[in-house]
Amino acid sequence: GAVVSQHPSWVICKSGTSVKIECRSLDFQATTMFWYRQFPKQSLMLMATSNEGSKATYEQGVEKDKFLINHASLTLSTLTVTSAHPEDSSFYICSASDRPISGANVLTFGAGSRLTVL
Amino acid sequence: GQNIDQPTEMTATEGAIVQINCTYQTSGFNGLFWYQQHAGEAPTFLSYNVLDGLEEKGRFSSFLSRSKGYSYLLLKELQMKDSASYLCAVRDSNYQLIWGAGTKLIIKP
Repeated sequence: GAVVSQHPSWVICKSGTSVKIECRSLDFQATTMFWYRQFPKQSLMLMATSNEGSKATYEQGVEKDKFLINHASLTLSTLTVTSAHPEDSSFYICSASDRPISGANVLTFGAGSRLTVL
Repeated sequence: GQNIDQPTEMTATEGAIVQINCTYQTSGFNGLFWYQQHAGEAPTFLSYNVLDGLEEKGRFSSFLSRSKGYSYLLLKELQMKDSASYLCAVRDSNYQLIWGAGTKLIIKP
């Protein structure tokens, strides 16, 4: 089945630094990747939709200059949290699809990256 | 606004049956998904419903009533490994996935 690899699985950084999270589709080409954030005991919140070769589409309330998304190839998307602050501490999860989002098409999720900003 | 409601937490006994309910109000409907999420891990797909009725897959079944905006996930012959959060998600008219907050299921021996 489809596999999505996400790295790093956890990261601790100092306030003010930037952190990059990678999301790779290992055995399929992902034309679309999604980035989610999940706070403890809360639902997944879509941050942005990333399409290969074009600018990401950000959800309302998500600062595009703070959460930089690059989808440079059909197998790699990166999320960079710039000038991280403690309130950015969260579980970040990417997901990908190898086909248009319709019907029973199922998203494959990465294992998630837990970010802790001190 | 769009809203998905599911119980925050449920407890069940190993070997028993448990039903996790999900009600939704969304702008349009293009399918409902159930995902399982173990603590600190990413969600994994369990089931998909787009038409009314019951979909059965092994020990897990999912039911949908579009007129009632209601779904449930039925887990039979519960095992300790079934302890996890179960997320209900609805795809709206824009094909956006709207997620519930998840139901934490605790299985006791």
